[in-house]
Amino acid sequence: KQEVTQIPAALSVPEGENLVLNCSFTDSAIYNLQWFRQDPGKGLTSLLLIQSSQREQTSGRLNASLDKSSGRSTLYIAASQPGDSATYLCAVRTQGGSEKLVFGKGTKLTVNP
Amino acid sequence: DTGVSQNPRHKITKRGQNVTFRCDPISEHNRLYWYRQTLGQGPEFLTYFQNEAQLEKSRLLSDRFSAERPKGSFSTLEIQRTEQGDSAMYLCASSPWTGLNEKLFFGSGTQLSVL
Repeated sequence: KQEVTQIPAALSVPEGENLVLNCSFTDSAIYNLQWFRQDPGKGLTSLLLIQSSQREQTSGRLNASLDKSSGRSTLYIAASQPGDSATYLCAVRTQGGSEKLVFGKGTKLTVNP
Repeated sequence: DTGVSQNPRHKITKRGQNVTFRCDPISEHNRLYWYRQTLGQGPEFLTYFQNEAQLEKSRLLSDRFSAERPKGSFSTLEIQRTEQGDSAMYLCASSPWTGLNEKLFFGSGTQLSVL
Protein backbone atom coordinates (compact mmCIF):
# COMPACT_ATOMS: atom_id res chain seq x y z
CA LYS A 1 0.00 0.00 0.00
CA GLN A 2 1.38 3.37 -1.08
CA GLU A 3 1.99 5.82 1.75
CA VAL A 4 3.02 9.45 1.31
CA THR A 5 4.69 11.47 4.05
CA GLN A 6 5.37 15.18 4.09
CA ILE A 7 7.86 16.89 6.36
CA PRO A 8 7.61 19.34 8.02
CA ALA A 9 3.91 19.51 8.88
CA ALA A 10 4.21 23.28 9.26
CA LEU A 11 6.80 25.87 8.34
CA SER A 12 7.03 29.59 9.08
CA VAL A 13 9.57 31.75 7.27
CA PRO A 14 10.24 35.46 6.72
CA GLU A 15 9.46 36.97 3.36
CA GLY A 16 12.22 36.60 0.79
CA GLU A 17 13.61 33.35 2.13
CA ASN A 18 14.18 30.34 -0.09
CA LEU A 19 12.62 27.15 1.26
CA VAL A 20 12.29 23.43 0.62
CA LEU A 21 9.33 21.17 1.28
CA ASN A 22 9.84 17.43 1.42
CA CYS A 23 7.73 14.50 0.29
CA SER A 24 8.51 10.79 0.54
CA PHE A 25 6.62 7.76 -0.73
CA THR A 26 6.97 4.07 0.05
CA ASP A 27 6.34 2.44 -3.34
CA SER A 28 8.69 3.68 -6.06
CA ALA A 29 6.59 2.17 -8.87
CA ILE A 30 4.83 5.42 -9.74
CA TYR A 31 3.59 7.03 -12.95
CA ASN A 32 4.04 10.55 -11.64
CA LEU A 33 4.15 12.83 -8.64
CA GLN A 34 2.22 16.07 -8.36
CA TRP A 35 2.46 19.07 -6.07
CA PHE A 36 -0.72 20.96 -5.21
CA ARG A 37 -1.50 24.12 -3.32
CA GLN A 38 -4.57 24.45 -1.08
CA ASP A 39 -5.79 27.71 0.40
CA PRO A 40 -7.95 27.55 3.58
CA GLY A 41 -11.43 26.19 2.88
CA LYS A 42 -10.70 25.86 -0.81
CA GLY A 43 -9.97 23.16 -3.35
CA LEU A 44 -6.58 22.19 -4.71
CA THR A 45 -4.61 23.89 -7.45
CA SER A 46 -2.10 21.83 -9.41
CA LEU A 47 1.37 23.39 -9.34
CA LEU A 48 3.72 20.90 -10.94
CA LEU A 49 3.55 17.36 -12.28
CA ILE A 50 6.72 15.28 -12.64
CA GLN A 51 6.50 12.16 -14.75
CA SER A 52 8.37 9.08 -13.52
CA SER A 53 10.94 9.47 -16.30
CA GLN A 54 11.69 13.07 -15.34
CA ARG A 55 14.00 14.44 -12.66
CA GLU A 56 12.51 17.91 -12.19
CA GLN A 57 9.97 20.47 -13.31
CA THR A 58 10.04 24.23 -12.98
CA SER A 59 7.34 26.88 -13.00
CA GLY A 60 8.31 30.42 -12.13
CA ARG A 61 9.73 30.48 -8.60
CA LEU A 62 8.83 26.82 -8.05
CA ASN A 63 11.09 23.87 -8.77
CA ALA A 64 10.15 20.28 -8.00
CA SER A 65 12.57 17.38 -8.12
CA LEU A 66 11.95 13.65 -8.12
CA ASP A 67 14.24 10.80 -7.04
CA LYS A 68 12.03 7.83 -7.77
CA SER A 69 14.47 5.16 -6.65
CA SER A 70 14.76 6.65 -3.17
CA GLY A 71 11.08 7.59 -3.00
CA ARG A 72 11.64 11.32 -2.49
CA SER A 73 10.56 14.62 -3.95
CA THR A 74 11.27 18.19 -2.96
CA LEU A 75 9.48 21.42 -3.78
CA TYR A 76 11.79 24.43 -3.78
CA ILE A 77 10.23 27.88 -3.49
CA ALA A 78 12.53 30.78 -4.26
CA ALA A 79 12.17 34.26 -2.79
CA SER A 80 9.03 33.43 -0.81
CA GLN A 81 6.18 35.95 -0.61
CA PRO A 82 3.25 36.30 1.82
CA GLY A 83 0.97 35.21 -1.03
CA ASP A 84 2.72 31.83 -1.00
CA SER A 85 1.14 31.10 2.39
CA ALA A 86 -0.98 27.96 1.94
CA THR A 87 -0.88 24.21 2.48
CA TYR A 88 1.23 22.33 -0.05
CA LEU A 89 0.29 18.73 -0.80
CA CYS A 90 2.13 16.12 -2.78
CA ALA A 91 0.41 13.17 -4.40
CA VAL A 92 1.56 10.12 -6.33
CA ARG A 93 -0.13 7.97 -8.94
CA THR A 94 1.07 4.41 -8.38
CA GLN A 95 1.41 1.73 -11.03
CA GLY A 96 -0.62 -1.43 -10.73
CA GLY A 97 -4.31 -1.03 -11.39
CA SER A 98 -5.74 1.88 -9.44
CA GLU A 99 -5.76 5.29 -11.07
CA LYS A 100 -6.26 7.21 -7.86
CA LEU A 101 -3.88 9.77 -6.45
CA VAL A 102 -2.49 9.07 -2.97
CA PHE A 103 -1.91 12.28 -1.04
CA GLY A 104 0.30 13.26 1.85
CA LYS A 105 -1.10 15.28 4.73
CA GLY A 106 0.53 18.46 3.49
CA THR A 107 2.89 21.13 4.76
CA LYS A 108 1.29 24.33 6.02
CA LEU A 109 3.49 27.23 4.94
CA THR A 110 3.30 30.71 6.47
CA VAL A 111 5.40 33.48 4.93
CA ASN A 112 5.63 36.47 7.26
CA PRO A 113 5.94 39.99 5.83
CA ASP B 1 -13.72 27.71 -18.81
CA THR B 2 -15.54 28.48 -15.60
CA GLY B 3 -13.81 25.85 -13.51
CA VAL B 4 -15.22 22.93 -11.54
CA SER B 5 -18.35 23.95 -9.66
CA GLN B 6 -19.61 22.24 -6.50
CA ASN B 7 -22.89 22.83 -4.72
CA PRO B 8 -23.72 23.45 -2.00
CA ARG B 9 -20.55 24.97 -0.51
CA HIS B 10 -21.66 24.07 3.00
CA LYS B 11 -24.18 21.56 4.30
CA ILE B 12 -25.21 21.04 7.90
CA THR B 13 -27.39 18.05 8.60
CA LYS B 14 -28.55 15.90 11.47
CA ARG B 15 -27.33 12.37 11.94
CA GLY B 16 -29.47 9.92 10.02
CA GLN B 17 -30.52 12.32 7.27
CA ASN B 18 -29.67 11.87 3.60
CA VAL B 19 -27.60 14.46 1.73
CA THR B 20 -26.74 14.95 -1.93
CA PHE B 21 -23.90 16.98 -3.42
CA ARG B 22 -23.51 18.08 -7.01
CA CYS B 23 -20.39 18.59 -9.11
CA ASP B 24 -20.32 20.28 -12.51
CA PRO B 25 -16.99 19.55 -14.21
CA ILE B 26 -15.24 21.70 -16.75
CA SER B 27 -17.01 21.36 -20.07
CA GLU B 28 -15.79 18.42 -22.15
CA HIS B 29 -13.74 16.93 -19.35
CA ASN B 30 -14.51 13.22 -19.55
CA ARG B 31 -12.95 12.18 -16.23
CA LEU B 32 -14.54 13.08 -12.91
CA TYR B 33 -13.19 12.19 -9.46
CA TRP B 34 -14.59 12.41 -5.92
CA TYR B 35 -12.25 12.77 -2.93
CA ARG B 36 -12.93 13.30 0.77
CA GLN B 37 -10.72 15.39 3.05
CA THR B 38 -10.88 15.66 6.84
CA LEU B 39 -9.16 18.35 8.87
CA GLY B 40 -5.38 18.05 8.83
CA GLN B 41 -5.39 15.19 6.34
CA GLY B 42 -4.78 14.89 2.62
CA PRO B 43 -7.67 14.08 0.29
CA GLU B 44 -8.69 10.40 0.12
CA PHE B 45 -9.96 8.87 -3.10
CA LEU B 46 -13.63 7.81 -3.20
CA THR B 47 -14.52 7.06 -6.83
CA TYR B 48 -14.10 8.16 -10.42
CA PHE B 49 -16.01 8.19 -13.70
CA GLN B 50 -14.92 8.02 -17.31
CA ASN B 51 -17.85 9.70 -19.06
CA GLU B 52 -20.91 8.05 -17.48
CA ALA B 53 -19.14 4.84 -16.42
CA GLN B 54 -18.06 4.47 -12.79
CA LEU B 55 -14.72 2.68 -13.14
CA GLU B 56 -13.35 2.48 -9.61
CA LYS B 57 -14.70 2.73 -6.09
CA SER B 58 -12.69 2.93 -2.89
CA ARG B 59 -13.43 0.68 0.05
CA LEU B 60 -14.15 3.98 1.85
CA LEU B 61 -17.31 4.18 -0.26
CA SER B 62 -19.62 2.13 1.94
CA ASP B 63 -23.08 1.05 0.83
CA ARG B 64 -24.45 4.30 2.29
CA PHE B 65 -22.61 6.22 -0.42
CA SER B 66 -23.65 6.31 -4.05
CA ALA B 67 -22.35 8.37 -6.93
CA GLU B 68 -23.78 8.89 -10.38
CA ARG B 69 -22.82 10.72 -13.52
CA PRO B 70 -25.80 10.51 -15.88
CA LYS B 71 -24.99 11.41 -19.47
CA GLY B 72 -21.37 11.94 -18.57
CA SER B 73 -21.86 15.56 -17.52
CA PHE B 74 -22.52 16.59 -13.91
CA SER B 75 -22.15 14.13 -11.04
CA THR B 76 -23.97 13.65 -7.75
CA LEU B 77 -22.72 12.07 -4.55
CA GLU B 78 -25.40 10.91 -2.12
CA ILE B 79 -24.84 9.85 1.46
CA GLN B 80 -27.70 8.01 3.12
CA ARG B 81 -28.23 7.81 6.89
CA THR B 82 -25.39 10.21 7.61
CA GLU B 83 -23.09 9.60 10.56
CA GLN B 84 -20.87 12.05 12.43
CA GLY B 85 -17.85 10.36 10.88
CA ASP B 86 -19.05 11.52 7.47
CA SER B 87 -18.22 15.12 8.40
CA ALA B 88 -15.57 16.22 5.91
CA MET B 89 -14.86 18.30 2.84
CA TYR B 90 -16.01 16.49 -0.29
CA LEU B 91 -13.91 17.47 -3.29
CA CYS B 92 -14.65 16.94 -6.95
CA ALA B 93 -12.04 17.08 -9.71
CA SER B 94 -12.22 16.74 -13.46
CA SER B 95 -9.73 16.20 -16.24
CA PRO B 96 -9.59 15.97 -20.01
CA TRP B 97 -8.26 12.44 -19.95
CA THR B 98 -4.97 12.45 -21.86
CA GLY B 99 -3.37 9.49 -20.15
CA LEU B 100 -2.00 8.80 -16.72
CA ASN B 101 -0.10 12.11 -16.64
CA GLU B 102 -3.37 14.02 -16.72
CA LYS B 103 -3.75 17.27 -14.81
CA LEU B 104 -6.66 17.42 -12.38
CA PHE B 105 -8.76 20.52 -11.81
CA PHE B 106 -10.42 20.63 -8.40
CA GLY B 107 -13.55 22.41 -7.27
CA SER B 108 -13.77 24.34 -4.00
CA GLY B 109 -15.52 21.46 -2.28
CA THR B 110 -18.64 20.90 -0.21
CA GLN B 111 -18.08 21.08 3.55
CA LEU B 112 -20.40 18.62 5.31
CA SER B 113 -21.10 18.86 9.02
CA VAL B 114 -23.17 16.08 10.61
CA LEU B 115 -24.57 17.01 14.02
